[in-house]
Amino acid sequence: DAKTTQPNSMESNEEEPVHLPCNHSTISGTDYIHWYRQLPSQGPEYVIHGLTSNVNNRMASLAIAEDRKSSTLILHRATLRDAAVYYCILREDSNYQLIWGAGTKLIIKP
Amino acid sequence: EAGVTQFPSHSVIEKGQTVTLRCDPISGHDNLYWYRRVMGKEIKFLLHFVKESKQDESGMPNNRFLAERTGGTYSTLKVQPAELEDSGVYFCASSLTDRDNSYEQYFGPGTRLTVT
Repeated sequence: DAKTTQPNSMESNEEEPVHLPCNHSTISGTDYIHWYRQLPSQGPEYVIHGLTSNVNNRMASLAIAEDRKSSTLILHRATLRDAAVYYCILREDSNYQLIWGAGTKLIIKP
Repeated sequence: EAGVTQFPSHSVIEKGQTVTLRCDPISGHDNLYWYRRVMGKEIKFLLHFVKESKQDESGMPNNRFLAERTGGTYSTLKVQPAELEDSGVYFCASSLTDRDNSYEQYFGPGTRLTVT
């Protein structure tokens, strides 16, 4: 079973920042936090991952709470192309398997 | 660089028939995964290859499913005989095992299987 909890859906306006929350209260010390997204009619796409420290890449930022029981994916300036289902996934250090939840459907309003 | 490719993109078969799905991973990726999403459900892991060896097949639903990865390159997933509940989208992904332990997985577009 998925070990994360996310809102079913969120709406945001185009060109505004988006903060997608994820709760993972049962996270263990060696679990990595991964975010993937799935655009309509496409396969999932890696967004970002982290362990303890906040992370930035060209797509997004990942803010991880100090106790690691929650994290937030930040899209700094959402575009219509960012409309997708975003999945927050915990992956055990020694296990390649991704365990998927229902994700958050992000709706971007023009 | 070419991404993960899957063939066919769609397949419609009758219950009891056999279907073989193919996945070509990104060149040089030792790790290859199969996942599937059945109607209305979440994406589920099926199995994981490291080169030609099955590393983890804990997600395979039953013995009607057979996955192979000849020579550690492309992989096939055969369903024989197909049942109605096998309908869904089958995703393949591949990854490197890089030094920072990220195991970023690159996904193909999926094969939509419909069993009638």
